[in-house]
Amino acid sequence: NAGVMQNPRHLVRRRGQEARLRCSPMKGHSHVYWYRQLPEEGLKFMVYLQKENIIDESGMPKERFSAEFPKEGPSILRIQQVVRGDSAAYFCASSLEGAGTDTQYFGPGTRLTVL
Amino acid sequence: DAKTTQPTSMDCAEGRAANLPCNHSTISGNEYVYWYRQIHSQGPQYIIHGLKNNETNEMASLIITEDRKSSTLILPHATLRDTAVYYCIVSRKTSYDKVIFGPGTSLSVIP
Repeated sequence: NAGVMQNPRHLVRRRGQEARLRCSPMKGHSHVYWYRQLPEEGLKFMVYLQKENIIDESGMPKERFSAEFPKEGPSILRIQQVVRGDSAAYFCASSLEGAGTDTQYFGPGTRLTVL
Repeated sequence: DAKTTQPTSMDCAEGRAANLPCNHSTISGNEYVYWYRQIHSQGPQYIIHGLKNNETNEMASLIITEDRKSSTLILPHATLRDTAVYYCIVSRKTSYDKVIFGPGTSLSVIP
């Protein structure tokens, strides 16, 4: 049973470009969570999605950031017009039940570097 | 803000038991205690969780005090590969409660 997959593992963008981060949850999981980890800091919750629905986006910046989890395909975290402060590791997790009801399984992360 | 407090860092000799404490004095009756760890540059890894009874699995044991205001994660025979940041989290067993990670405890296993 494959774990949570994230791609790309490393992404380099110049300021002003767009970054698209993909997350494929574990088989059978319909709940996806995105976290951001700035260098030398802890994990910060960004957004919680179910298939085709955003359940909680309270941790996501209001501008430039968006997330989706379509009926088919991976979850996408999109960052428009990236700035240097967006450089971080972005982790995706998935669970079988809802948030807090079951274990979250994490992917290996995407490390975004903004030049 | 995280609902737990943990020591910032700890050392443990290789082969000895590592006991990582966590305080969660405001835990409510329907909140579980979860432990995750993050080895440098990797994604967090689930370790164990419990409600009020002590729990054990192939990775660790979780001891929860009777009043549930604190718990201890025990790695019975620490190895160098257990060097990581360990996160103690409380989370409700209901939908839509996001998981909040605190700064965790940085455990260093020393040869």
